[in-house]
Amino acid sequence: QVQLKESGPGLVQPSETLSLTCTVSGFSLTSYSVSWVRQPSGKGPEWMGRMWYDGDTAYNSALKSRLSISRDTSKNQVFLKMNSLQTDDTGTYYCTRDPRYYSAPFDYWGQGVMVTVSS
Amino acid sequence: DVQMTQSPSYLAASPGESVSISCKASKSINTYLAWYQEKPGKTNKLLIYSGSTLQSGTPSRFSGSGSGTDFTLTIRSLEPEDFAVYYCQQHNEYPLTFGSGTKLEIK
Repeated sequence: QVQLKESGPGLVQPSETLSLTCTVSGFSLTSYSVSWVRQPSGKGPEWMGRMWYDGDTAYNSALKSRLSISRDTSKNQVFLKMNSLQTDDTGTYYCTRDPRYYSAPFDYWGQGVMVTVSS
Repeated sequence: DVQMTQSPSYLAASPGESVSISCKASKSINTYLAWYQEKPGKTNKLLIYSGSTLQSGTPSRFSGSGSGTDFTLTIRSLEPEDFAVYYCQQHNEYPLTFGSGTKLEIK
């Protein structure tokens, strides 16, 4: 069945870089896109960016200068790197599976990984 | 960016009752509106997309309506498992944006 699992450090120092991995199973990264979505505690989710099925990327302009999304199709993994972290980057980070068309919703979600930015 | 305003932020109801949640977009998003359910210990679930299309596996007591800027999620005859947090999300244009959520609790 479709599964996505996020992994990465739970604690990051301010000004440092966050690196997260989304490992997927039950579908191919060349058939579906994958997004990263984050959610500060008590707030609504925020779409961060998308790795398209064809290898292209799209980013939220609010984060674009700090964010990079890449993938390794042989390992069924999608990666997120975001630099210059601040305390308001604290929250739960999710990866999602997205059907391949332009206006696609998120049809499966991972369980999320909590990231705290603190010294 | 398209701002999504969801209301109410909190809703209390009893099993068997029907409830509606509103989601308003700051500009027209055609019918590209999705609804998600968030429950503790479970992954978020896509319920409805394109305004009114039920995702496979979504019970028929859930329905979505609306177009343009105004949308509604209705849950008829609430079941105990429906008490959760619900989010709307526009999937019409980038960046994709979400509402702030509605917590549905048991009265």
